[in-house]
This record gives sequence, C-alpha cells and structure tokens, in this order.
Amino acid sequence: GAVVSQHPSWVICKSGTSVKIECRSLDFQATTMFWYRQFPKQSLMLMATSNEGSKATYEQGVEKDKFLINHASLTLSTLTVTSAHPEDSSFYICSASSRLAGTDTQYFGPGTRLTVL
Amino acid sequence: AQTVTQSQPEMSVQEAETVTLSCTYDTSESDYYLFWYKQPPSRQMILVIRQEAYKQQNATENRFSVNFQKAAKSFSLKISDSQLGDAAMYFCAYRVYSGGGADGLTFGKGTHLIIQP
Repeated sequence: GAVVSQHPSWVICKSGTSVKIECRSLDFQATTMFWYRQFPKQSLMLMATSNEGSKATYEQGVEKDKFLINHASLTLSTLTVTSAHPEDSSFYICSASSRLAGTDTQYFGPGTRLTVL
Repeated sequence: AQTVTQSQPEMSVQEAETVTLSCTYDTSESDYYLFWYKQPPSRQMILVIRQEAYKQQNATENRFSVNFQKAAKSFSLKISDSQLGDAAMYFCAYRVYSGGGADGLTFGKGTHLIIQP
C-alpha cells in the first residue's frame, strides 16, 4: 500500500526558533498533501491543503505566516513552524492523496510531536 | 460548514462481543464520503472503512460494517467479534466529493474503545 513518512518523529525546540517538518510520499506521487494538528486527547483539525506547485490553502484561523507550507514536488511537502512558542506544541500529522493513482484515498504519515520549551 | 459528532467519548466491550460506535454529521452537500479511522497508541491513523454517500449499500470490511442512514445523517460503525487489537481511538470523518481528492477531512472528537479480556 501507499506509504507516507514524516521527519522528524519528535522534535524539541526553544521558544522563538523555527522548526521544519517533512512529509514524504514514498511510493506514489502525491498531488495533494494535507496538514493536520492534534492536541492531546483531541481530534485532528485540518490546518491546510497544498497542491504540488501551488500555494497552500489555509483553514480559517490558521496563521499563514506562522505555519509555512511548501509542496515543491510530488513527493515532498514541508511545514515550517516559525518563531515557535509553547502554545504551538502539538502533534502534527500529514496525509497525502493522488488523483494520478485513480484513487482519492488519503494516506496518513506517522505524525511529528513538537514540544516548544 | 460540515460538522461531525461522536457522542460517545468512551465505549467498553468484552472480547468477542459486538460493539457499535455512533456518528452523526451535518452537511448541505449531496455527494460526499464518510470514513472511520482507527488511531492506536502509536497514533498512526488507519483507515477502517469508507462509504460513498451515493451508494445505498452499507460498506463492510471483514468484522467491520457500517449502518449508513443518509436521510438521518447517521453513520455508525459495528465491530463484530471484538479483539484486543481493536482497542484504540476511533474517529468518524467526512469529506466532500470533489472528484480529485483535494479536500481535507473533517473529524469527530473520537470514541475511545476499550476491549475487556
């Protein structure tokens, strides 16, 4: 089946620094990638949708300048949390889908735990 | 905006018994998908079952089946012959049909399923 990886799986950073999280589709070309955020014991909330080669579409309430998303290729999307603060600490999950594969199923990565000190 | 409601924060079932998880949703769309995802302690999201709204027949995947009531906007998950490995958070999710898989998922708050040995 389709595999999506995320790197790193866990990152700790100091307040005010920026952190980049990578999401890769390993065995298929992801025409669309999604970024979700999950607080402890809560549900997943869609942050943004990115199509390869296009600017990301952010959900209402998500700061574009805070969460920079780049989808430069059909296998890689990155989420950069800029000037991170403790309230940005969360579990970030990406998913990917491919209209090229003839299916619109979303495949999820294993997630990245971000802790901001 | 669409919403997904899971009214059972936690459910408990004896091993080998049957359990039903509830989900209701609200949408003005006529074409959409509904999903049940499982999130074990590893936090990897696993697709359990999906249902296309235009299909009247309820989806089935081995021990997992759904009861899809489109008019009532209800989408419950039945797990038969419960196994210890079924213990996890279960999320009901909705996605509008747009023909390209480029829409994110809206999740319910989840139901924590406990399997009693």
